[in-house]
Amino acid sequence: DVKVTQSSRYLVKRTGEKVFLECVQDMDHENMFWYRQDPGLGLRLIYFSYDVKMKEKGDIPEGYSVSREKKERFSLILESASTNQTSMYLCASKTGTLRGYTFGSGTRLTVV
Amino acid sequence: GDSVTQMEGPVTLSEEAFLTINCTYTATGYPSLFWYVQYPGEGLQLLLKATKADDKGSNKGFEATYRKETTSFHLEKGSVQVSDSAVYFCALSEGTGFQKLVFGTGTRLLVSP
Repeated sequence: DVKVTQSSRYLVKRTGEKVFLECVQDMDHENMFWYRQDPGLGLRLIYFSYDVKMKEKGDIPEGYSVSREKKERFSLILESASTNQTSMYLCASKTGTLRGYTFGSGTRLTVV
Repeated sequence: GDSVTQMEGPVTLSEEAFLTINCTYTATGYPSLFWYVQYPGEGLQLLLKATKADDKGSNKGFEATYRKETTSFHLEKGSVQVSDSAVYFCALSEGTGFQKLVFGTGTRLLVSP
């Protein structure tokens, strides 16, 4: 089975800090995604990547950036964390064919 | 743009009751449709999918049929268990391009003994 690993389950950061959320997949998938999950809003796409060093903005990219230097790793960066970025962050990967995504277990980030 | 609408939750049922969670979609193309489940404290898992009209996806006793004429993909289970308590997300993915997933807002299911 494909495994998508997010480095932290829970994080607490201070306002203004630079925050890195790491995601690693082990099945050579081309496409990787970052979503945030908030009650009543479902999952919203922040950024995605379809290849190494390639990235595309999703629906809510403001305040975030991403990095994909290696195929297996996709990092989400909060340049200057703010309290409205407190959320559950979910990473996912998939191949180029018509299949469902594989999600990581999520990182619950609290910004204080 | 594409969108998915799910019924509001929570849905509260007794064990062995029949479950329906409604899902309708709007899409410009011909999407694939998915149901994902999120158990407490975990990420999302693919529950079932359908890629063309009249396809029925099924898994773990859950079923959903791709209805193009009504743009719907309702989730059903004949007899729910306490262990089915979770949040269920309906989603679509267009068949071309990067196949981004568009999610509904999720429906929480609570099953009591």
